Amino acid sequence: QVQLQESGPGLVKPSETLSLTCTVSGGSVSSSSYYWSWIRQPPGKGLECIGSIYYNGNTNYNPSLKSRVAISVDTSNNQFSLKLSSVTTADTAVYFCARKISGLYFEDYWGPGTLVTVSS
Amino acid sequence: EIVMTQSPATLSVSPGERATLSCRASQSVSSNLAWHQQKPGQGPRLLIYGASTRATGTPARFSGSGSGTEFTLTISSLQSEDFAVYYCQQYNDWPQTFGQGTKVEIK
Repeated sequence: QVQLQESGPGLVKPSETLSLTCTVSGGSVSSSSYYWSWIRQPPGKGLECIGSIYYNGNTNYNPSLKSRVAISVDTSNNQFSLKLSSVTTADTAVYFCARKISGLYFEDYWGPGTLVTVSS
Repeated sequence: EIVMTQSPATLSVSPGERATLSCRASQSVSSNLAWHQQKPGQGPRLLIYGASTRATGTPARFSGSGSGTEFTLTISSLQSEDFAVYYCQQYNDWPQTFGQGTKVEIK
């Protein structure tokens, strides 16, 4: 069974870049059967799609975040990563990585999430 | 983007009772609707996709229905492990969007 695990700093200063990595086990980020997603959840609020990446590097970003987001894939380490630049306190959230089935586009497996706080 | 609205925000139900959760889309999403369950401190878990197809491992007491703009998740007889927050997600259009969630709590 596929497992995903987020990792990265839990505290980021305003105006800096948030960087997170998702390590995948039990499956391959090189598979053409899946997309790999980032989704976030501000404290006490709902879920927001950030973006996703395909094994060939093709990406889709939420238009509301597109100017600040970059998602990349590292096939050698079976990981994919998120960078969110120029963060503000509004970017404080639990960040989830997830797998999405190609052609169906809903998330079928999620990581446990990691809290990132933006504060000076 | 498509706005998903869930109701009620909180549902108080006794174990063994039936729970009915609603999800409405601001425009048609066909049957491209999923339901996810989230427990405190955990990532969401996929329950239903295609509006009515149970994901692998989803108990038969969970059923989904609807199409277009109106959807329902029904839990036929609530078990202790079902008390959680439930989110609907449309994947008909990008960006995919989620409802604000319905919390199912013990009455």
